[in-house]
Amino acid sequence: GESVGLHLPTLSVQEGDNSIINCAYSNSASDYFIWYKQESGKGPQFIIDIRSNMDKRQGQRVTVLLNKTVKHLSLQIAATQPGDSAVYFCAENRRPGTASKLTFGTGTRLQVTL
Amino acid sequence: GAVVSQHPSWVICKSGTSVKIECRSLDFQATTMFWYRQFPKQSLMLMATSNEGSKATYEQGVEKDKFLINHASLTLSTLTVTSAHPEDSSFYICSARRLAGVAETQYFGPGTRLLVL
Repeated sequence: GESVGLHLPTLSVQEGDNSIINCAYSNSASDYFIWYKQESGKGPQFIIDIRSNMDKRQGQRVTVLLNKTVKHLSLQIAATQPGDSAVYFCAENRRPGTASKLTFGTGTRLQVTL
Repeated sequence: GAVVSQHPSWVICKSGTSVKIECRSLDFQATTMFWYRQFPKQSLMLMATSNEGSKATYEQGVEKDKFLINHASLTLSTLTVTSAHPEDSSFYICSARRLAGVAETQYFGPGTRLLVL
């Protein structure tokens, strides 16, 4: 079935380096994507979003890239800090214009080493 | 901001009892709230969509008579796990969708950890 999945379940990055978390989606009709950060025992926290009519969007230290040709989404974190350690989920809105339900990927754990 | 709260944050109950979890949007109105369940080291699975003033829409495989949802106001939705059993132990998370701004963006509560003995 259709799904949103991640290539790497765990990513280890040294403090100060840049992190890249990838996500593949299979529904070409999805028009909206969000990246969430979830720390242990907490709810997901909104990081950044992007619509399908864009291919790049930047926030504070984060950038989301969308490649609709290959249905790939990535989250780039600049100068990764220990506080960035968490599980990151991509989510897609699979039903544009309707109930806007989000479907979540499997998640990638980011470990920041000192 | 877009703050969503949940209460309680954790609950332990005996098998067969019912547990009510509240989800509130504190600084915005939400016509739609969502309830998710998350097992350890897994992703979030949508259980149901809660619409203010109408019946909830349940995902396939989710028993509506077991997971009762009430969305009585634009800032409050409740999930009641009826006759809870150990297999219902999980992390329950709600989210709320703002009326204004990007309609698809959901803001999540801190979650409620349920342990059924």
